[in-house]
Amino acid sequence: DGGITQSPKYLFRKEGQNVTLSCEQNLNHDAMYWYRQDPGQGLRLIYYSQIVNDFQKGDIAEGYSVSREKKESFPLTVTSAQKNPTAFYLCASRGRPSGNTIYFGEGSWLTVV
Amino acid sequence: AQTVTQSQPEMSVQEAETVTLSCTYDTSESDYYLFWYKQPPSRQMILVIRQEAYKQQNATENRFSVNFQKAAKSFSLKISDSQLGDAAMYFCAYTSNRDDKIIFGKGTRLHILP
Repeated sequence: DGGITQSPKYLFRKEGQNVTLSCEQNLNHDAMYWYRQDPGQGLRLIYYSQIVNDFQKGDIAEGYSVSREKKESFPLTVTSAQKNPTAFYLCASRGRPSGNTIYFGEGSWLTVV
Repeated sequence: AQTVTQSQPEMSVQEAETVTLSCTYDTSESDYYLFWYKQPPSRQMILVIRQEAYKQQNATENRFSVNFQKAAKSFSLKISDSQLGDAAMYFCAYTSNRDDKIIFGKGTRLHILP
């Protein structure tokens, strides 16, 4: 079955640590996205990538980094520079094979301890 | 810049009744796509319905239908025969072929009253 896989579903981070959230898709989509969602709030764009080896900052990129070395993979690193990282993180992808419909992973919960 | 506005932060509807969620957007593009996504407490984003801008016919999926007014840049979602399982946050979203960015509204929380 085609889809997006995010891991881990739950992650705890200590102060000063970097953590990486994984996002893998087998939909042959060119575009991939990372969103942050705080409780009761909407989705805010962190980074997006339209093609391998290229990505753009979204509205809240500070304290985050990404890479796009393979079409299928778009990992997000939450760095120690992100002062308030506790949130729900959603990965999404979109592409012509799916009629430009946006597909989402199941999300990852990140908590700072 | 493109924007998506959902003017109703919360709405309530009696079970089995009909409710309409509003969404307006702003764009200068002519080739774009609009979506409604449902987010239940599990936080999983579920596609409810999609609309291609070049199609004049309003999209329908079972109890869900849209009223797409291209000139007015309006894309409302109608839920008929509301069920308890429809209770969720609903997001309106826009994307175009030109720059791949996806723009979401702030969401409408829908409550279903038994």
